[in-house]
Amino acid sequence: DTEVTQTPKHLVMGMTNKKSLKCEQHMGHRAMYWYKQKAKKPPELMFVYSYEKLSINESVPSRFSPECPNSSLLNLHLHALQPEDSALYLCASSQDSRGDGYTFGSGTRLTVV
Amino acid sequence: GESVGLHLPTLSVQEGDNSIINCAYSNSASDYFIWYKQESGKGPQFIIDIRSNMDKRQGQRVTVLLNKTVKHLSLQIAATQPGDSAVYFCAENIGGGGADGLTFGKGTHLIIQP
Repeated sequence: DTEVTQTPKHLVMGMTNKKSLKCEQHMGHRAMYWYKQKAKKPPELMFVYSYEKLSINESVPSRFSPECPNSSLLNLHLHALQPEDSALYLCASSQDSRGDGYTFGSGTRLTVV
Repeated sequence: GESVGLHLPTLSVQEGDNSIINCAYSNSASDYFIWYKQESGKGPQFIIDIRSNMDKRQGQRVTVLLNKTVKHLSLQIAATQPGDSAVYFCAENIGGGGADGLTFGKGTHLIIQP
């Protein structure tokens, strides 16, 4: 298995909702990432987990809460989002700190209404 | 056809021609670089990577060149095909390890004309 799987592929949520994005990989990668991508823009790093510990938070608002339950799973919990948070949320993983095998999932298209 | 740095968002080439996509990276401490292809509605797809101890690396129909002196990266695609139409991003790793995350360039939209 050489893929990063993200669910759901599409999500529409209201500003008072709580939802979660899920990411899974079975490549034995020990680093996992969340990125946010707005239309016609490059991906921007949000969070980095290395060996299941949060190592980087790029000053992301607290309405985004990451979680790494184990080495294969990465979640992003969403609460009280704003319409400007609508974007493509990408998960990625890499083998280790060297970055080998850096692989992205297909993303979750999030719309906040 | 050739794109210039990060300021030419679209590059149009004829099918069968070679294309060159350029990227200027920002941090002289970056030691790992990746080119990604992103089609509409999909996540970035790995094309080729290069580490700072190399200046050239070749794959199938693609070549990446790295010039650390001027902090410049290029992606050459030989004999372009309609399926090559996509947005291409360069990405750099700042800090010496992949677990620091990637910083992406602005992207170039490659259009293949029949």
